[in-house]
Amino acid sequence: AQSVTQLDSHVSVSEGTPVLLRCNYSSSYSPSLFWYVQHPNKGLQLLLKYTSAATLVKGINGFEAEFKKSETSFHLTKPSAHMSDAAEYFCVVSDTGTASKLTFGTGTRLQVTL
Amino acid sequence: DAMVIQNPRYQVTQFGKPVTLSCSQTLNHNVMYWYQQKSSQAPKLLFHYYDKDFNNEADTPDNFQSRRPNTSFCFLDIRSPGLGDAAMYLCATSRRTGAIANYGYTFGSGTRLTVV
Repeated sequence: AQSVTQLDSHVSVSEGTPVLLRCNYSSSYSPSLFWYVQHPNKGLQLLLKYTSAATLVKGINGFEAEFKKSETSFHLTKPSAHMSDAAEYFCVVSDTGTASKLTFGTGTRLQVTL
Repeated sequence: DAMVIQNPRYQVTQFGKPVTLSCSQTLNHNVMYWYQQKSSQAPKLLFHYYDKDFNNEADTPDNFQSRRPNTSFCFLDIRSPGLGDAAMYLCATSRRTGAIANYGYTFGSGTRLTVV
């Protein structure tokens, strides 16, 4: 079985300050891990993904995430927040043992203030 | 550009009146999924097609059905929509090669369903 826990339902940062969105996962097999972003009334956009290559993954819009197997974590970071980053972020796991299934975390709403 | 297209973007239907949502893809992916996302919640998988094989999630209500007439199209049918079925419905695709390898998940922009 696979699961994802997003540790914060809401994160608020000031524009220009670092962003940290936390995610822990559980998986019986070698997982693939993803971060998706969803702006209001929009579909899901892939930010980045980890698929057993480099543990530090760089994505779009300056985001990156580090896969830490010992901590079962896949936290999303960005050095400097922009107003346009305000959105809902989902951490997602795909368990290669049960292919074709994505399991979503409950989401973290990122608020960016001036 | 290759993509996943959902029509319509917004759908209003009457309580109990059957409604169909559509999804098309130009990626030639062999797996297509339907997710339901209610307000302020994570997307929930309803079912998926692996080629022509239909895979229903155990807790998907019987009220929800799906059809995949060819590789490019997949439909979500709600036979008798209730107020609780109001949600964003997301279509996604992926390319599956073999038993465990699954690549390139791509989501459409979604259809927001309102039931009146």
